[in-house]
Amino acid sequence: DADVTQTPRNRITKTGKRIMLECSQTKGHDRMYWYRQDPGLGLRLIYYSFDVKDINKGEISDGYSVSRQAQAKFSLSLESAIPNQTALYFCATSDWTFSKNTGELFFGEGSRLTVL
Amino acid sequence: KNEVEQSPQNLTAQEGEFITINCSYSVGISALHWLQQHPGGGIVSLFMLSSGKKKHGRLIATINIQEKHSSLHITASHPRDSAVYICALYSNYQLIWGAGTKLIIKP
Repeated sequence: DADVTQTPRNRITKTGKRIMLECSQTKGHDRMYWYRQDPGLGLRLIYYSFDVKDINKGEISDGYSVSRQAQAKFSLSLESAIPNQTALYFCATSDWTFSKNTGELFFGEGSRLTVL
Repeated sequence: KNEVEQSPQNLTAQEGEFITINCSYSVGISALHWLQQHPGGGIVSLFMLSSGKKKHGRLIATINIQEKHSSLHITASHPRDSAVYICALYSNYQLIWGAGTKLIIKP
């Protein structure tokens, strides 16, 4: 099984629908991230979580919400999807620690979302 | 000015060529990552380094902290190396992402 699993891998939906993208990890990492990738652009951070009780907005959080249900699970929701949220979404984890001030990164395979 | 810049943005080369991708940054960092993304695929971490040089197979990553510059080299390039290569920095406990370098290796 993959270390970081995203579901669904592909989703087509209509404007105004609620969508949830789910992410689960088997690495035991506290830090989890949701990123968005648009063609020709780099990764942009939507939300990140340093542990179950610590959730933070990233640079493009408007229109999105998240839930950290457990250390292993971090879900991204689009309450009312709009076409410009069409993108490839990635979940990632990190074993970052204060003592090292760095950590390895592990990514899911991505969830391709199309909003019509 | 972007805090991290990669060059070139696009690179096309022939199989067997030596490839260099550069990452320059303007902030203090605790570590730098090089990652690979194949077309339509996920993202895989290749290296994490905070000083010196690391090697894995045909891939070599170097970093010069004083010059705030890192390079990713691919020796004896192969069409399967075709991918987007991304550098990312850990700075002030946050990750800062480069825009990526799209590499195409022609047979």
